[in-house]
Amino acid sequence: SQQGEEDPQALSIQEGENATMNCSYKTSINNLQWYRQNSGRGLVHLILIRSNEREKHSGRLRVTLDTSKKSSSLLITASRAADTASYFCATVLTGANSKLTFGKGITLSVRP
Amino acid sequence: DVKVTQSSRYLVKRTGEKVFLECVQDMDHENMFWYRQDPGLGLRLIYFSYDVKMKEKGDIPEGYSVSREKKERFSLILESASTNQTSMYLCASSPLRTSYEQYFGPGTRLTVT
Repeated sequence: SQQGEEDPQALSIQEGENATMNCSYKTSINNLQWYRQNSGRGLVHLILIRSNEREKHSGRLRVTLDTSKKSSSLLITASRAADTASYFCATVLTGANSKLTFGKGITLSVRP
Repeated sequence: DVKVTQSSRYLVKRTGEKVFLECVQDMDHENMFWYRQDPGLGLRLIYFSYDVKMKEKGDIPEGYSVSREKKERFSLILESASTNQTSMYLCASSPLRTSYEQYFGPGTRLTVT
């Protein structure tokens, strides 16, 4: 069963704008991760936030986690055409092993 | 840098053939995973392994088997390929019990005709 659900399914913005993507999940998690996938390629890990953290930054990426609402958001600031990709959230459940459960992904298009 | 390689980028097989997909990682990771990715369904876990000769079923193991004879290599086997196994197959690895961050290979796009 799908643990993470991303929203929106697709997002189109102008270069320079900020992109916000959301992820909701259903059960208690150990951590939540965001991955990027360029067309037809493997996934690349972007950022991980643990269940006891509320916000993390990495370059132009900002991730927040609200465990009371079981939701996370990924913000990409000052987007570039090269940010065009699919983005996935993935959760590691509390007490689970190393298994990740992925959402269905968000397609981000950044227009030059 | 961690490198995960997959034996083929594109593969075309006929229905009923036995298919081997190979994955090799060079970072001495204990965990290895096989996923399939289909439009609208995201990534679904087929099998994973925590150690040599060890395997566990994921969410959709039917029609697949795996082999892990060496720590760096994890093989996915389609015993008798069917058209509904046409998909993108992704291999990943991760260190044991750390951040659980996974490192992915480039994927194999398998078409079964």
